[in-house]
Amino acid sequence: GAVVSQHPSRVICKSGTSVKIECRSLDFQATTMFWYRQFPKQSLMLMATSNEGSKATYEQGVEKDKFLINHASLTLSTLTVTSAHPEDSSFYICSASWTGYTEAFFGQGTRLTVV
Amino acid sequence: EDQVTQSPEALRLQEGESSSLNCSYTVSGLRGLFWYRQDPGKGPEFLFTLYSAGEEKEKERLKATLTKKESFLHITAPKPEDSATYLCAVQEQSGYSTLTFGKGTMLLVSP
Repeated sequence: GAVVSQHPSRVICKSGTSVKIECRSLDFQATTMFWYRQFPKQSLMLMATSNEGSKATYEQGVEKDKFLINHASLTLSTLTVTSAHPEDSSFYICSASWTGYTEAFFGQGTRLTVV
Repeated sequence: EDQVTQSPEALRLQEGESSSLNCSYTVSGLRGLFWYRQDPGKGPEFLFTLYSAGEEKEKERLKATLTKKESFLHITAPKPEDSATYLCAVQEQSGYSTLTFGKGTMLLVSP
């Protein structure tokens, strides 16, 4: 299957700082990338969908200015959590797919802890 | 609104004890139903996609089936390494390839 690499796997940051998470498709061109958030024992909640070269489409209730998504190339998307607060602590996961293909492949996830 | 309900929430099996996980779904038009495996602290690992009622797919000790209302993931003679959370997700025909996930079933297989 296709490989998606997410970095870093864990990050601890101070409240008020910003954190960037990278998602790379290693062996295919990802026309679409998705960002999810997962709380313990909860489902994956879709935050936003991004297409290469276009602005991301955010789900209802997700703050665009807090969670900045960039999908500048067919192999890289980034999620920046701006002015992070403890309530932003969570497990963030990206997935990637390509046009006409139904399956999406997931990265390893990033555990963000804001102290 | 698409809904996906998985049961049970948790399941404990002895090694070799076969069982099934359930995924009930409500969607206006199903493009695909997906099963993923997720290990603690990791991203989901793709297992199967089912597209139409009556379809079945197998991989090692796992077999997924689909009806118009639900999907089952059958685990035959499980081993401890099958312990993980199994996630079900649906993709709507009119959707933008987005997936709606259930909360998952946490499976623990004891030796």
